[in-house]
Amino acid sequence: EPEVTQTPSHQVTQMGQEVILRCVPISNHLYFYWYRQILGQKVEFLVSFYNNEISEKSEIFDDQFSVERPDGSNFTLKIRSTKLEDSAMYFCASTKERAPYNEQFFGPGTRLTVL
Amino acid sequence: AQSVAQPEDQVNVAEGNPLTVKCTYSVSGNPYLFWYVQYPNRGLQFLLKYITGDNLVKGSYGFEAEFNKSQTSFHLKKPSALVSDSALYFCAVRDGSGNTPLVFGKGTRLSVIA
Repeated sequence: EPEVTQTPSHQVTQMGQEVILRCVPISNHLYFYWYRQILGQKVEFLVSFYNNEISEKSEIFDDQFSVERPDGSNFTLKIRSTKLEDSAMYFCASTKERAPYNEQFFGPGTRLTVL
Repeated sequence: AQSVAQPEDQVNVAEGNPLTVKCTYSVSGNPYLFWYVQYPNRGLQFLLKYITGDNLVKGSYGFEAEFNKSQTSFHLKKPSALVSDSALYFCAVRDGSGNTPLVFGKGTRLSVIA
């Protein structure tokens, strides 16, 4: 069964450094999402992406964040200058269609630790 | 604003007993409701969803959930728990308009004891 994959599984970085989290969505899916989960807290929506554009973003997704689909398979989340509070598990997800009743398929996550 | 509450951080149940993981929601319109499960070092896996129609929906691994509009609940159930069901369970809701993103509860850790 096709799966969403994410790399790396764990990223440790120093405060102020840039990080890029990578995701490979399911190949025939067109809508892509990033979520984060701070330890012990809820899974929170960050951004959705379709047709090389951001469709929606939350208030968490400020100017420090950006997303990109650099080629036909990867979908990346960049944090320009990491802060301690960016430490979290980041999940990528994808769906084939945009309809709100479609379930999203999630990757295993990248644990980001900012020191 | 839409929200999801999972009132229990942890649910413990003996193997073979029925299990219930609770979820209540708040949305402005008609809800689309989802349950996801997360096993250690894995992503969130879709279990089941409610869109419309029959209030009892059946999903993967023998799980089912009952939509109750008057109580704004969508509790996850299974008649007979397995040790392998031990995991973190997330309830999520999306407004039927589709103009809002998927909103998750904080998760409930299910522990099934042999």
